[in-house]
Amino acid sequence: DSGVTQTPKHLITATGQRVTLRCSPRSGDLSVYWYQQSLDQGLQFLIQYYNGEERAKGNILERFSAQQFPDLHSELNLSSLELGDSALYFCASGTVNGYTFGSGTRLTVV
Amino acid sequence: TQLLEQSPQFLSIQEGENLTVYCNSSSVFSSLQWYRQEPGEGPVLLVTVVTGGEVKKLKRLTFQFGDARKDSSLHITAAQPGDTGLYLCAGAFSGGYQKVTFGTGTKLQVIP
Repeated sequence: DSGVTQTPKHLITATGQRVTLRCSPRSGDLSVYWYQQSLDQGLQFLIQYYNGEERAKGNILERFSAQQFPDLHSELNLSSLELGDSALYFCASGTVNGYTFGSGTRLTVV
Repeated sequence: TQLLEQSPQFLSIQEGENLTVYCNSSSVFSSLQWYRQEPGEGPVLLVTVVTGGEVKKLKRLTFQFGDARKDSSLHITAAQPGDTGLYLCAGAFSGGYQKVTFGTGTKLQVIP
């Protein structure tokens, strides 16, 4: 157990639907980072939150949004899902000198 | 956009062989990390290097940071099947907000 908790582990949904992925960072970490990993694109940075505020944005689609709550857990919302959104979604906490990753959510859009 | 290129992309070797994986960029890193990822799991941090020329060892793994802090290598001695996985380098770039960018990855298979 890395200390970073992600739920659910697997998600299968239809195109056009909306899903929410949840992440709890390691105890004491204020930052949460979201990454998307697909077979042909490696780990792509989506967005970072620090203590409830958005800190940095990467290649995140407008259909995707995230937030971090006062208890520091974070949610990644994916809407109007397309087949190409099928991927592993990871969250991580820590600093730029080392991240701790969760075990990921595998999203399959059918 | 800062890019991190890893080579080779794929490596299949026999147990007991040595190997080296490379991570290169045209930009200077403020720090660089190496991770190993197993199928269906999140990457696990192996090491962080911050000083140009730095060498760190983790059992049979040796990590080196280039003098100019633009490249790094991971050398595995006497590879074992348990070393199988995806190896990722990740660099933090200086200037304004420090963001970590991941390399393209090296998939290693060690055959018993």
